[in-house]
Amino acid sequence: SQQGEEDPQALSIQEGENATMNCSYKTSINNLQWYRQNSGRGLVHLILIRSNEREKHSGRLRVTLDTSKKSSSLLITASRAADTASYFCATDADAGNMLTFGGGTRLMVKP
Amino acid sequence: DGGITQSPKYLFRKEGQNVTLSCEQNLNHDAMYWYRQDPGQGLRLIYYSQIVNDFQKGDIAEGYSVSREKKESFPLTVTSAQKNPTAFYLCASSIGPLGTQYFGPGTRLTVL
Repeated sequence: SQQGEEDPQALSIQEGENATMNCSYKTSINNLQWYRQNSGRGLVHLILIRSNEREKHSGRLRVTLDTSKKSSSLLITASRAADTASYFCATDADAGNMLTFGGGTRLMVKP
Repeated sequence: DGGITQSPKYLFRKEGQNVTLSCEQNLNHDAMYWYRQDPGQGLRLIYYSQIVNDFQKGDIAEGYSVSREKKESFPLTVTSAQKNPTAFYLCASSIGPLGTQYFGPGTRLTVL
């Protein structure tokens, strides 16, 4: 069963625009992670945000977490064609001991 | 060079055959995982191991088997009981069960 669900499932933007992806989850969490997957490759960890944090930055990435709404967003600013990939959120349910990945958002950045 | 490797990259299997996918890590991680990914879909957990000589079923363990005899290695066998094995298989490892996961490059299995 999936704890996190990404929205939208697919997103197409022009280079230079910002891309926003959302993740909703069902139970309380300790932390939430975002991963990126290039086509046909393994996932790469991007950023981790803890339940007591509201916002975190890493380069052109900005992640927010709203525990009252059980949701997180990943913002990629000034997108590049190389940002084309699938992006997944992963959560750890408070009572569980495993990460659960969502279905992903497929981002296409057109040059 | 630390990391996690999977082999082979591509694997073809005839129906009724068992095949074993290799996963090795030199990150000194205790936890290792196997995921299945179908086209355009997310990851589904097959098996995981939090320590040597111990492993647990994930959400879709039927038709698969694993072993964890060494900390560095977590091979996955896809048995003939798995009715639809064609998929992309990803192995990952982490320091602990809730930590950042490091993924291998994946093995694409095709049943002919």
